[in-house]
Amino acid sequence: DIQMTQSPSSLSASVGDRVTITCRASQDIRNFLAWLQQKPGQAPKSLIYDVSSLHSGVPSNFSGSGSGTDFTLTISSLQPEDFATYYCQQYKSFPLTFGGGTKVEIQ
Amino acid sequence: EVQLVESGGGLVQPGGSLRLSCAASAFTFSRYWMNWVRQAPGKGLEWVASIKEDGSEKYYVDSVKGRITISRDNAKNSVYLQMNSLRAEDTAVYYCARARTDYADYIYFDYWGQGTLVTVSS
Repeated sequence: DIQMTQSPSSLSASVGDRVTITCRASQDIRNFLAWLQQKPGQAPKSLIYDVSSLHSGVPSNFSGSGSGTDFTLTISSLQPEDFATYYCQQYKSFPLTFGGGTKVEIQ
Repeated sequence: EVQLVESGGGLVQPGGSLRLSCAASAFTFSRYWMNWVRQAPGKGLEWVASIKEDGSEKYYVDSVKGRITISRDNAKNSVYLQMNSLRAEDTAVYYCARARTDYADYIYFDYWGQGTLVTVSS
């Protein structure tokens, strides 16, 4: 199975900050990497697929990069609605696996 | 607007059974992989099962193999999760999710339902 490791597990930031979350895969997953956002009490929301492609309606302050085993989610200017938990997920092979999550909190 | 509505969750005793349903609307259901993902209380996301567009391929996480079965009815725009021999560790919110494929069978989630809570407890 492919293990996904996210860091940090949590971070505190202010509105307007640039935030970077990293995700590492235990083996090469090429570009089969997605990012999801989840707010408390809500279902996950898909943000990014294929490392850097934004789903419809996702604001452009979200971006993704990386390849192979190391990936990054960047929020260029944190907005109040961006405080949430973020998960990376690989779909290179079954079983599909998620990272442990990064909780972005208000500083 | 794409909608996925789960139902069938509830309280069940260890060893019991439950059948979850997910009703889909506003898209051509038979053209998409469908999936179940769960989240235990206070924990992260865990993929549970996936089924191909025509039901010809199914995949499961190891911890549920032999106990849980995913199925679909394309005529009813619905996907199901039959859960048997339930354990306390199956307690979670179960989400239905649609998946897209741009090439081959590399699937990624795009739309999610609101989830249904399954509690396994005596």
